[in-house]
Amino acid sequence: NAGVTQTPKFQVLKTGQSMTLQCAQDMNHEYMSWYRQDPGMGLRLIHYSVGAGITDQGEVPNGYNVSRSTTEDFPLRLLSAAPSQTSVYFCASSYSWSSYGYTFGSGTRLTVV
Amino acid sequence: AQKITQTQPGMFVQEKEAVTLDCTYDTSDQSYGLFWYKQPSSGEMIFLIYQGSYDEQNATEGRYSLNFQKARKSANLVISASQLGDSAMYFCAMRVNAGGTSYGKLTFGQGTILTVHP
Repeated sequence: NAGVTQTPKFQVLKTGQSMTLQCAQDMNHEYMSWYRQDPGMGLRLIHYSVGAGITDQGEVPNGYNVSRSTTEDFPLRLLSAAPSQTSVYFCASSYSWSSYGYTFGSGTRLTVV
Repeated sequence: AQKITQTQPGMFVQEKEAVTLDCTYDTSDQSYGLFWYKQPSSGEMIFLIYQGSYDEQNATEGRYSLNFQKARKSANLVISASQLGDSAMYFCAMRVNAGGTSYGKLTFGQGTILTVHP
């Protein structure tokens, strides 16, 4: 099925552990982004990419790393998990400057204990 | 930096009536796009409608229309003939073309929870 695939859907981490949230899209979209959603704060941009090999920081990048070696994949790495990173994470992709909007993955609910 | 403000944390509407969800934005860039998304209780993000800053006509998609007032920097979503299935969180978002990689960034407001009463 075409779309944005995020894995895992749920994850519990201990403080200090590292992990990678996976994101893949099969629509040949140039743009890909990672957001976190916390109650009352909407979606906040963590990192984004406008093409393979090109990434940039969003509003809340600290504690997260990204890379984009292919058009299809945009993994998000948590370097040393902290309770403040408990959130719902969304990956999204889009064609370059278009009116079609971003296509979102189904989200990853992450709890850091 | 761009900013999106949604001042209505919650809204209520009677089924079959129309409702307007407010969105104001702040940017100094001339080229930008405005989006509305719906997030039902299941959690997925659903794209509803788009308005470009140079579009002269208000965007419409079925029961959704975007009331774009450029001078006031507002981009309100109007839902006509509300249905029970419209109960959800609604987000306004913006991206700008300010050079560099700026066009890859989508900035969201805090959201408005809409409840449709039968």
